[in-house]
Amino acid sequence: NAGVTQTPKFRVLKTGQSMTLLCAQDMNHEYMYWYRQDPGMGLRLIHYSVGEGTTAKGEVPDGYNVSRLKKQNFLLGLESAAPSQTSVYFCASSYAVSAGPTDTQYFGPGTRLTVL
Amino acid sequence: AQKVTQAQTEISVVEKEDVTLDCVYETRDTTYYLFWYKQPPSGELVFLIRRNSFDEQNEISGRYSWNFQKSTSSFNFTITASQVVDSAVYFCARLSGSARQLTFGSGTQLTVLP
Repeated sequence: NAGVTQTPKFRVLKTGQSMTLLCAQDMNHEYMYWYRQDPGMGLRLIHYSVGEGTTAKGEVPDGYNVSRLKKQNFLLGLESAAPSQTSVYFCASSYAVSAGPTDTQYFGPGTRLTVL
Repeated sequence: AQKVTQAQTEISVVEKEDVTLDCVYETRDTTYYLFWYKQPPSGELVFLIRRNSFDEQNEISGRYSWNFQKSTSSFNFTITASQVVDSAVYFCARLSGSARQLTFGSGTQLTVLP
């Protein structure tokens, strides 16, 4: 049981390049999330998904797109990377009980992205 | 925006000292959930505890204890007899019952010196 995994662990991009970050979970969780962590700012939600085929915007969605084609995978795309997107990206997942999205979010190890 | 505030940016203590990390939250919801996560130097986020808004009982887990007070909107975290391995960034977070977003505080860097 690997939990939440992220690929790649590190990446360096040039301004304008595109890339996709992959998040996978093997816990059969319904909800998945993408956060970014910047120094002194904690984690901020980019996008999230409440089930296969669904996505929604979080606090800082601009410049990112996501897809959830399979329940276990959540992809984060940068179409045209900018230096402001230099950050550490974390994926998380949680199980939605009937009472709502109140379950604990478990995080992947993070991806460190640098945009030059 | 309903914030989570961790006013202590950095704390240094000497091993075996007790230390309390403060967390104050804002919310308009009657049902909400509070969390603490630990981020060691290796970078991963480790879940420590979750507390529901309708359960104000304090909790103790080994050297860790949490004090939840709705009257002051605080959810403080105490480490007793700190150890060097406790050195990490600690994040407090709030999840509202009506939303799907975890709102994090900016974190407290704890350094435990030998």
